[in-house]
Amino acid sequence: QKEVEQNSGPLSVPEGAIASLNCTYSDRGSQSFFWYRQYSGKSPELIMSIYSNGDKEDGRFTAQLNKASQYVSLLIRDSQPSDSATYLCALSYGNNRLAFGKGNQVVVIP
Amino acid sequence: NAGVMQNPRHLVRRRGQEARLRCSPMKGHSHVYWYRQLPEEGLKFMVYLQKENIIDESGMPKERFSAEFPKEGPSILRIQQVVRGDSAAYFCASSTQGSNQPQHFGDGTRLSIL
Repeated sequence: QKEVEQNSGPLSVPEGAIASLNCTYSDRGSQSFFWYRQYSGKSPELIMSIYSNGDKEDGRFTAQLNKASQYVSLLIRDSQPSDSATYLCALSYGNNRLAFGKGNQVVVIP
Repeated sequence: NAGVMQNPRHLVRRRGQEARLRCSPMKGHSHVYWYRQLPEEGLKFMVYLQKENIIDESGMPKERFSAEFPKEGPSILRIQQVVRGDSAAYFCASSTQGSNQPQHFGDGTRLSIL
């Protein structure tokens, strides 16, 4: 199983602020990266995919990938209470397998 | 509903019984993946299947676990002689053909072993 690290503890942000999540990985051969959102007791929901270096924006979400430094990040702008969830970083390797980090819990405070 | 369908949502078994978990992929998807999420742990890959073929089962425990995706019908994850440690959420995901395609997840089956 490939290493995917999400080391930050729970992140509390005030409503309207930017939430920033980071993820590092060990496999330099990984080409595809994903961010999933998981509400408590629910299934992971794909929110972003990114395949090349740089930024990718989708609504209030921006994913950033730096393959040289082996990290991928997620920014959530104008955070809303509905963004309170656990965010999972994942990468694809081998036969389309996904390796997941343990997740970062985000709490948006109204 | 065109999403990934899993059933049952909750399954309770006694130690030593068999558990069967079902997954129908999203419409248009031919690739199915099973993942397990233990309490306080991340999602772990178990097996990757296409119709009538197991492509990668490197994440499956060597004993008691098996998976299939027949030509007709849903994919089945089967756990024989369940033990307490099998209690977890089991998620199925599906994707279209091709490398590195995004995987979409079903609602999962919460398996509890008494």
